[in-house]
Amino acid sequence: DTGVSQDPRHKITKRGQNVTFRCDPISEHNRLYWYRQTLGQGPEFLTYFQNEAQLEKSRLLSDRFSAERPKGSFSTLEIQRTEQGDSAMYLCASSFPAGRGYTFGSGTRLTVV
Amino acid sequence: DAKTTQPPSMDCAEGRAANLPCNHSTISGNEYVYWYRQIHSQGPQYIIHGLKNNETNEMASLIITEDRKSSTLILPHATLRDTAVYYCIVSVYGSSNTGKLIFGQGTTLQVKP
Repeated sequence: DTGVSQDPRHKITKRGQNVTFRCDPISEHNRLYWYRQTLGQGPEFLTYFQNEAQLEKSRLLSDRFSAERPKGSFSTLEIQRTEQGDSAMYLCASSFPAGRGYTFGSGTRLTVV
Repeated sequence: DAKTTQPPSMDCAEGRAANLPCNHSTISGNEYVYWYRQIHSQGPQYIIHGLKNNETNEMASLIITEDRKSSTLILPHATLRDTAVYYCIVSVYGSSNTGKLIFGQGTTLQVKP
């Protein structure tokens, strides 16, 4: 197992376009998290899945954001009608339920121009 | 908001021990102390966690005070590759909880030759 994979690593998009990111967690992990990190700040929690169920969403996750985890495996994060303020690193992490510690992916860096 | 306070930056000489402090005076009885680090342009990496006893693994040692209001992460022999932002986080542990992490600003550790 090579850890948590995120695709793409970098994405440049024009304002108003839709973008979708993918996360492949460690296969044995049933928990999956999305975080967002802007320059100079720590990561901020966006949403959490246990298997295929989305159990918590941050108020940061506006109605332009949607996340899915079909069949409890990979997850996608879609941003509709992107804005310049959406420019950030989007991080995915997975873990066992016991909370031993997350494994983070390398992130997708989004630039909205 | 993050429940921890860390110095914004620290320096350490290569080969010496790096001692990174963290204050968490409002920690609850069921909250663990977690440490992660983030090397530039990568996702955060789990280092260690603990409840009240001191913990050690292959990466570091965690010393938690008896009143649990503060802790210290110790990197016994710092190398240049340990240069990173180190985050101290308190979070509830266990399968019945979200397990989301609230990151602060962290401590930027610069290891110098």
